[in-house]
Amino acid sequence: AQRVTQPEKLLSVFKGAPVELKCNYSYSGSPELFWYVQYSRQRLQLLLRHISRESIKGFTADLNKGETSFHLKKPFAQEEDSAMYYCAPYSGGGADGLTFGKGTHLIIQP
Amino acid sequence: KAGVTQTPRYLIKTRGQQVTLSCSPISGHRSVSWYQQTPGQGLQFLFEYFSETQRNKGNFPGRFSGRQFSNSRSEMNVSTLELGDSALYLCASSLYGGRTDTQYFGPGTRLTVL
Repeated sequence: AQRVTQPEKLLSVFKGAPVELKCNYSYSGSPELFWYVQYSRQRLQLLLRHISRESIKGFTADLNKGETSFHLKKPFAQEEDSAMYYCAPYSGGGADGLTFGKGTHLIIQP
Repeated sequence: KAGVTQTPRYLIKTRGQQVTLSCSPISGHRSVSWYQQTPGQGLQFLFEYFSETQRNKGNFPGRFSGRQFSNSRSEMNVSTLELGDSALYLCASSLYGGRTDTQYFGPGTRLTVL
C-alpha cells in the first residue's frame, strides 16, 4: 500500500537554527510530492511542490529517490514558521488521491 | 478570487442520523476532493469528483457518498452516522485534479456525532 511517514510529531527549534522536517514515502511508480502547511487558525495550504523546484519562505525540499525521502529544510528558522507541516505524495489517482502524512508540529522558540 | 467555501461550518448530529455537507470550489475549478481529518488518523482521502463524475475513491465504507453538480459544487453525504465519524471534513478544489495541480482547501466542516 502507498504510505507516507513523518517520524516527528513535534519538532521544537530555536529561532535562527536550521530546520529539517522528515518525510519518507513508500510508493510504486513516481508520485508527485508536495508539502502543505497549516498555520494557526488558517486553512491548509500548499507550501511547495517538487515539480516546481522552488524555494518558498526560505524552505526547500529535496527528493531522494534512493531513500524515497522528501525532507523539508530551512537554514534559519523564524518564529512565523511555527505551524503544522504535512508531506503529501500524490500518485495521480486510485484509492489514495493526495495522501497526507500525520504531520509534524513545528514550534520555533524565540 | 473567492476561496473554497464549505457549509455548514459546525454540525452536531446523533448516531444513526444522516448528514449532508456542501462545498463550493474556486470559480473555474472542476475537481473537488474530500478529506476526513481526525486526531488519530490524520488526513484521509475520501473521494474526488471531476465533471460530475467520481474519479477516485478512498477506503471508506459505502455510508460515505458524494456528488458533484454541473457548476462544480459538491456535496458529501454520510448515512447512519457513527460516533467515529466525528471529524473535520475538508474539501479541496483544483483546476483539473491532475498530479501537478495545487489543491486549495476550504475551512472545513466540524461534525460532532453524539
